[in-house]
Amino acid sequence: DAKTTQPPSMDCAEGRAANLPCNHSTISGNEYVYWYRQIHSQGPQYIIHGLKNNETNEMASLIITEDRKSSTLILPHATLRDTAVYYCIVRPYHAGNMLTFGGGTRLMVKP
Amino acid sequence: NAGVMQNPRHLVRRRGQEARLRCSPMKGHSHVYWYRQLPEEGLKFMVYLQKENIIDESGMPKERFSAEFPKEGPSILRIQQVVRGDSAAYFCASSPSQGGYGYTFGSGTRLTVV
Repeated sequence: DAKTTQPPSMDCAEGRAANLPCNHSTISGNEYVYWYRQIHSQGPQYIIHGLKNNETNEMASLIITEDRKSSTLILPHATLRDTAVYYCIVRPYHAGNMLTFGGGTRLMVKP
Repeated sequence: NAGVMQNPRHLVRRRGQEARLRCSPMKGHSHVYWYRQLPEEGLKFMVYLQKENIIDESGMPKERFSAEFPKEGPSILRIQQVVRGDSAAYFCASSPSQGGYGYTFGSGTRLTVV
């Protein structure tokens, strides 16, 4: 799986948008970008994934650059409950591949 | 539709005892994965199983650790002769056979070795 690079930590004010960047310059054509988060002591939670088009769901939006070498996860209106470690993972779509977790970004949402 | 169920949530074992961690995948999921998270560290892949088969155990320590996913019943991660360094959170995930984003994690088992 391609390697990803994320800032170790970020702060965000409650109610504002949180923009979490991820670099994946070695991504290959069949690899998707996945985002998970881990709220303290809980199991990781799937957020969103995409291949090359921007994606949006009830939790977040994913913006992938045209060259697919980087992406941004956007939480449009961050709440205190969004405080977590966010992991950007690149992997092929099909099952049978484990997820390789890097260090992630520790997002602190502040009141 | 119940999620991935892990039990027990917390497990305390004395050094030298055995620990058995159970994972019931989501309904319809036939792929199970175990991960370990040491205190203040990231999640590390341990083993990937399908029913009655170990597909990838490249992340599993060579000694004392074993995993199974029988035809009936939950997947079991077994740690024999536990040591203090085994204290960690152990997470199980499952995915459907046709794979993709349906990779879902359980709430984990926190093992403490005293």
